[in-house]
Amino acid sequence: ILNVEQSPQSLHVQEGDSTNFTCSFPSSNFYALHWYRWETAKSPEALFVMTLNGDEKKKGRISATLNTKEGYSYLYIKGSQPEDSATYLCARDRGSTLGRLYFGRGTQLTVWP
Amino acid sequence: DAGITQSPRHKVTETGTPVTLRCHQTENHRYMYWYRQDPGHGLRLIHYSYGVKDTDKGEVSDGYSVSRSKTEDFLLTLESATSSQTSVYFCAISEYRVDEQYFGPGTRLTVT
Repeated sequence: ILNVEQSPQSLHVQEGDSTNFTCSFPSSNFYALHWYRWETAKSPEALFVMTLNGDEKKKGRISATLNTKEGYSYLYIKGSQPEDSATYLCARDRGSTLGRLYFGRGTQLTVWP
Repeated sequence: DAGITQSPRHKVTETGTPVTLRCHQTENHRYMYWYRQDPGHGLRLIHYSYGVKDTDKGEVSDGYSVSRSKTEDFLLTLESATSSQTSVYFCAISEYRVDEQYFGPGTRLTVT
């Protein structure tokens, strides 16, 4: 079992605040890191797939960075909006078992208007 | 939205009965996955498929079997359902092996 850890477990912010959360994973045998957004009563939706150390990806107000040598990724949301409220999942893809994702438990974000 | 459907969407069954969940895709993607989601756990991979008749076990495969006789359909079978298999089951697909996965709407299964 691969230990993908996410912190914090939950986060409450005011509309307009910027926020970030962390995904930690074993750095050995790394191949890719995925971020997903999961709204209540919906299905997980892909945000980013990152493979290279130092990778940075951006989609609108959401961005992510990757450090494969120390085994962490940060997800940033700039100017949070109530519609950003969701659980954010990260998942690791090992090189030896490509395509098999190991998910963390997620960070639940609530943005208050 | 990726064309993925799951059936049934909700099911209540009794311990010891067989149950089959179906995942159907219209994207012609090669890779298909079955996950379960339980409180206190992240999504956990049950089985996956990398082509017709090609399947492999995931993290929590005990008590489950799968079949894929056509590109578009991936079936998950619980041979003899147990209460520990009460969960929400998600199917996912991807075009390439290392690629973002698209998730279906989920099936809520309750085993009484």
